[in-house]
Amino acid sequence: GQQLNQSPQSMFIQEGEDVSMNCTSSSIFNTWLWYKQDPGEGPVLLIALYKAGELTSNGRLTAQFGITRKDSFLNISASIPSDVGIYFCAGLDQGAQKLVFGQGTRLTINP
Amino acid sequence: GAVVSQHPSWVICKSGTSVKIECRSLDFQATTMFWYRQFPKQSLMLMATSNEGSKATYEQGVEKDKFLINHASLTLSTLTVTSAHPEDSSFYICSANGLAGAGNEQFFGPGTRLTVL
Repeated sequence: GQQLNQSPQSMFIQEGEDVSMNCTSSSIFNTWLWYKQDPGEGPVLLIALYKAGELTSNGRLTAQFGITRKDSFLNISASIPSDVGIYFCAGLDQGAQKLVFGQGTRLTINP
Repeated sequence: GAVVSQHPSWVICKSGTSVKIECRSLDFQATTMFWYRQFPKQSLMLMATSNEGSKATYEQGVEKDKFLINHASLTLSTLTVTSAHPEDSSFYICSANGLAGAGNEQFFGPGTRLTVL
């Protein structure tokens, strides 16, 4: 079945540092999504990418849709304490209209 | 916009009882709703896809007679865990796709934590 490989699995950084995480897939996706999940909450959509090569920003967050449509990355600049959480990438299986999720990247920030 | 609610936010029940979880799209009509399960420190696992007015499509390995899904209106889907057992304890999250205009994004509810004693 389809799988997304997300890395790193966890990150421990200092406040103010930049963060980068990525997802790769064995299959092509036409839509990539990045979500953040806080403990005990549902995922919240951060950025949606619809076109190969697209680079999209949302405040301090920047995400890119890989040109091969098999990968995406998310960057967070100048991290702050509220960035702590688990970040998930997801690819949309257009035919089945289902999301395929990565394993998540747990971000911890030392003040 | 695009707010999805779930009720209850947490529930504790005895083994053998049934539990119903509601998922509502508050400010849009959801043609399709999805039910996920998430175990601690793991990713979201899709259980089933539910379209309004039709039977849900279950993922491989998910028992449809145990996890009953009803999507009776464009704003409400329910998941009933029948004869719950401790191994069904998990975090259940729903999501919804909107009608035209909401793109392909899925908007997630806040989740329901189920603990079966």
